[in-house]
Formats: sequence, structure tokens, C-alpha cells
Amino acid sequence: DGGITQSPKYLFRKEGQNVTLSCEQNLNHDAMYWYRQDPGQGLRLIYYSQIVNDFQKGDIAEGYSVSREKKESFPLTVTSAQKNPTAFYLCASSKGPQGALWNYGYTFGSGTRLTVV
Amino acid sequence: SQQGEEDPQALSIQEGENATMNCSYKTSINNLQWYRQNSGRGLVHLILIRSNEREKHSGRLRVTLDTSKKSSSLLITASRAADTASYFCAIGGTASKLTFGTGTRLQVTL
Repeated sequence: DGGITQSPKYLFRKEGQNVTLSCEQNLNHDAMYWYRQDPGQGLRLIYYSQIVNDFQKGDIAEGYSVSREKKESFPLTVTSAQKNPTAFYLCASSKGPQGALWNYGYTFGSGTRLTVV
Repeated sequence: SQQGEEDPQALSIQEGENATMNCSYKTSINNLQWYRQNSGRGLVHLILIRSNEREKHSGRLRVTLDTSKKSSSLLITASRAADTASYFCAIGGTASKLTFGTGTRLQVTL
């Protein structure tokens, strides 16, 4: 079955450490997204990518980095510059022409819960 | 801001009752989408309604859109305990991607 796989499900980060969250999709979707969700809050967009080798900053990109070397993969690195990284991270993908990514529904992964220890 | 605002923030009903939640927005839209999120899980797409549509149905779900009032409502009929979740509206506006609201937490009790 097609879908999005996020790993790991739980991740613990020490102070000053970079960590990478994995997101893989086999839906043949062009666009992929990373969102952050804090307890009881909505989703805030970190980065998104409309095509391979291209990505754009979202609303809260500081302290995060991404790459899009393959259509299927969009890993997110939480760097030591992100001072408050504890949150639930959601990856999503969609069809949609560039510039109109709202035209289709998004498919979400099951999330990665990151905790700073 | 293109962000939708859901109302109420939390809703508690008994099984069998109908649940209605609302989403208001401030800008023009191309479409509005509703998603469900079970606790600790990802979001699931429920319905997409385009700006030229007024009502859509999917099983026990009914979505209405009033562009003159810049609002949408999601009605879940004959609620079940399994409907317990958070529900988000997402705005497909003039920006290139969706903007999500803060959600309504629905609790359906037996």
C-alpha cells in the first residue's frame, strides 16, 4: 500500500546535538512538507519542497535544514541552533502543480516525537 | 493571515449525537479542507470543498462553505466513540500551500 513512513517514532536529543528525522513516501507525490506541532497547538510549517533538489522555508525554518535529493525522500535535520526542539514532527506529501499545492489533500505520516534530554 | 480559526476549541458530546465544528478565515480561498487527528498520530484528510461549492458529503460527514461569511462547518452525524479526535481546517488560499488552524478537540462519550 502507498503511504508515508516516518522514522523513528520517538527520538531523544542531547543538548547541542544534531538529529535527523526520516520521511519516505511511495505515492509518487511531487511535493513534500515538514510541520511541527506543539501540545494542544496547530501545525506550523518548517520547510516544503515542490520538486527534487528544490525546497522553500516555511514559517519557522530557523534551526532546521532539509534536503530533497530523491523524489521519495525528504529528511529533516534539527540542528543545535534550534533552541526549543521538543515537539511532534509531521511529514506530509501531496500532488499539486507548483504554486498551487493547496489543490489536493495532503497525506501525512504518523509522526516523530522528539524530546530533548 | 490565511490561517483558519476553529470554534469551539473543545467539544464533548454523547454517542449518537451530532457534532458541529466551525472554521472562520479572513482571506479569499481556493478551497478549504478538513482533517482528523487521533491522539499522537498523523492527520487524515477528510474532505476538500472548493470555493464554488456550498456543501459536500462523505458518509456521516457534511461540510458547508459560506464564502460571503468566510466560514465553513463540519457536521458529524450520529457520532461514535471512534470519532474522538482533533479536527483541523486547512485553507487553500493565495499562498502556494495549505495553512492549518489550531483545531477542535472532540470527545465522544458512551
